[in-house]
This record gives sequence, C-alpha cells and structure tokens, in this order.
Amino acid sequence: DAKTTQPTSMDCAEGRAANLPCNHSTISGNEYVYWYRQIHSQGPQYIIHGLKNNETNEMASLIITEDRKSSTLILPHATLRDTAVYYCIAGAGAGSYQLTFGKGTKLSVIP
Amino acid sequence: DVKVTQSSRYLVKRTGEKVFLECVQDMDHENMFWYRQDPGLGLRLIYFSYDVKMKEKGDIPEGYSVSREKKERFSLILESASTNQTSMYLCASRAGGMDYGYTFGSGTRLTVV
Repeated sequence: DAKTTQPTSMDCAEGRAANLPCNHSTISGNEYVYWYRQIHSQGPQYIIHGLKNNETNEMASLIITEDRKSSTLILPHATLRDTAVYYCIAGAGAGSYQLTFGKGTKLSVIP
Repeated sequence: DVKVTQSSRYLVKRTGEKVFLECVQDMDHENMFWYRQDPGLGLRLIYFSYDVKMKEKGDIPEGYSVSREKKERFSLILESASTNQTSMYLCASRAGGMDYGYTFGSGTRLTVV
C-alpha cells in the first residue's frame, strides 16, 4: 500500500463544507483511494473510494488530482454527527488483500 | 443491510484464559480480517484469511491464532490471555477483487484482568 499523509486534526463549522486533504504521492496506477471514518468506540465506516475520476455518493465527494498524488474528501454540509477520525488509504491493488490504516484526521464539527 | 457481526461488544477475561472472539459476515465475502486498535497506535492487522481454511499472519500475530472453517465465520483465539492484549478488536470482511473496500463490525472491547 502507498503511504498517505493527512493532517492530524481539523475543525469545521456546522453546516459548512468540510474539506479533508490527503497526500499519496507514491500511489501506483492500480491502487484505489479509500476513505473511511471512525466515530468514537465504533468500527470504521466506509465512505467512498475512487481510482482516477472524481466520485460522489450520498455521504461525500472525492476529488482526486489528475496526477493522483493527492485527494480531497468533501462533506458538503457538515453536521455534529460527522465528528470522527477520517482515514485516507491508498492501496488494495492487484494481489493485495489488506488495507493499511494510518493515524487519520480528527475532524471536529463545531456548533 | 449487509453486516459484519461480532459476537460480543464488551468482554472481561482473566489472565491465562483461552478467549474466543467470533465474527460472522453475511455478504459472501472471500476475505476476512482481524485488527486490534489501541490509542496512539491505530489499527494493526493481526491475521487475515482469503479463503476457507486459509490464513495469513498480519503485523502482530504473536499470542493469537485464527480459525476459518466456514466462509462466513472467522474466529480470533487468544490462547492464553494476557493484560497486554486488552484492546479493541475489530473484524472486517472484503470481497475479492481490487475495487472493494472493507466492511467492519462494531468491535469487541476486551479487558484482560
């Protein structure tokens, strides 16, 4: 798995967009970018993933740069329930069974 | 709704006991994983299985074993529990192929006293 770098923590005002960056400069061509989040004392929850194109689902949008060396997770209207640790993972390409979780970004949504 | 179910949410065991943590998934996934999570250390892979009766060591297998007799069930065994195995244990499953992520269970918080 490629190494990822995320800020340790971020704050976001309730109702505003939360933009969480991730650097994955060593990502290989067949490795996907995954985002998960973990709310306190629960198991990590899948949010979104992508390979090259930007992706959107009911939870978030994923913007991947053209060179694929970085990406941004966007929560369009953050709520207090979005307060969690967000993990960016680049990996699980061909022949890889596992995803390697880093330390993630602690997002605090402020009222 | 697809699910990964861990048998216990909280567990307290004594030092030296043999401990079984059970995980069941209903998604027909080929791959299953056991992680432990500790403050400041993140998620660390203990063991994983890519098929029935198959297992591979992860990053921290010492003191643990696993069993996968059926596709839907993956058990983590602490042969002789020790206090340094007090942790949150997370089970996950994943379909085969590159374009799939994990589905996690809710976790088991194990305390060894």
